[in-house]
Amino acid sequence: RKEVEQDPGPFNVPEGATVAFNCTYSNSASQSFFWYRQDCRKEPKLLMSVYSSGNEDGRFTAQLNRASQYISLLIRDSKLSDSATYLCVVKGNDYKLSFGAGTTVTVRA
Amino acid sequence: DGGITQSPKYLFRKEGQNVTLSCEQNLNHDAMYWYRQDPGQGLRLIYYSQIVNDFQKGDIAEGYSVSREKKESFPLTVTSAQKNPTAFYLCASSFRDRTPNTEAFFGQGTRLTVV
Repeated sequence: RKEVEQDPGPFNVPEGATVAFNCTYSNSASQSFFWYRQDCRKEPKLLMSVYSSGNEDGRFTAQLNRASQYISLLIRDSKLSDSATYLCVVKGNDYKLSFGAGTTVTVRA
Repeated sequence: DGGITQSPKYLFRKEGQNVTLSCEQNLNHDAMYWYRQDPGQGLRLIYYSQIVNDFQKGDIAEGYSVSREKKESFPLTVTSAQKNPTAFYLCASSFRDRTPNTEAFFGQGTRLTVV
């Protein structure tokens, strides 16, 4: 079983729509969780950390469910500029950073 | 400005040659990582290092080697034993602290092509 698994999508949504997707992780001892964004042929960049109580950053909301070992990302009021691949990242207690394969989101006009 | 720098951006290698990719950071980060990304794929961990003079194999370490002689530097050597080295290589670094704020920062990557 992969350490981090994501719904690959693609999610093709119109501007203004809400899109949500999940990521599951296998190591129950995982310490930290993040969502990164990667644009085509670029390096990944941090979108947001994911806290136990859930957190929002503008139109983006992240949730963590430790009992079921998944995290989620919700994007409200999608913009064309949100088109990217979203990577789920889990840091274990050995500092190993594991990435999911990514969820592709395309926002159309 | 603080950051993480990878060089070169593009690299061409002949089959059978070893090649070393550079990764330098001035963020005072303890941990450093090397990933490989193939077209349309996610990031796969090659090696990581938590502290100087120590490193661990990731999921796809075969055909690669690393060193961590200085905190700022974590070079990756792609050896001739790596059968499919053509890929996008990404280096990252982070603090070791386990609080949620310890995200990793990435370099701009090196595109290696075997010719």
